[in-house]
Amino acid sequence: KAGVTQTPRYLIKTRGQQVTLSCSPISGHRSVSWYQQTPGQGLQFLFEYFSETQRNKGNFPGRFSGRQFSNSRSEMNVSTLELGDSALYLCASSQGPGANEQFFGPGTRLTVL
Amino acid sequence: GDSVTQMEGPVTLSEEAFLTINCTYTATGYPSLFWYVQYPGEGLQLLLKATKADDKGSNKGFEATYRKETTSFHLEKGSVQVSDSAVYFCALSEGAAGNKLTFGGGTRVLVKP
Repeated sequence: KAGVTQTPRYLIKTRGQQVTLSCSPISGHRSVSWYQQTPGQGLQFLFEYFSETQRNKGNFPGRFSGRQFSNSRSEMNVSTLELGDSALYLCASSQGPGANEQFFGPGTRLTVL
Repeated sequence: GDSVTQMEGPVTLSEEAFLTINCTYTATGYPSLFWYVQYPGEGLQLLLKATKADDKGSNKGFEATYRKETTSFHLEKGSVQVSDSAVYFCALSEGAAGNKLTFGGGTRVLVKP
């Protein structure tokens, strides 16, 4: 069974641009969560999607948004990039809410110049 | 809100030494508790979990016991190997919050031959 895949793996953008990151969950998994990992703030929850609906949202500005498609694939978008958005963005999939086991992808390393 | 506190690293050990990483949590309900491991350049891997008080999670020689009275979930391994060098994260999730994971700051472990 293929694991969680994230594309692209590395990305370099400049301030003010926008970016879209993609996550394909494990086959059969319907829940996708996103996390931001930085040296200063650690791992922080961005949002969770299940059946194309956002179930939960972390404490991030509105520049951060996401969506989920009918095949459970998810995208997150960051608009008007700031230097502080440089981070590793991790996606996790699970069978559903409260599944108690989430599987993480390798992450997308975003660098904002 | 929920929070997780774990000992800061780095923790440097010799091969075959005993490893303990302390983790305590604050939660309003009855969370599930997890230990994740992150190897260089990779995403997070679930190491072990416990879903209720007094449960012991174990995997690959690592163990942790859910202690409700001390709100702790300390990670232990009796004899570490060089391949255990990684960053270890303690985390919790509460059923009402779906799959949202709240992470500790991570503990870097370096095992020397």
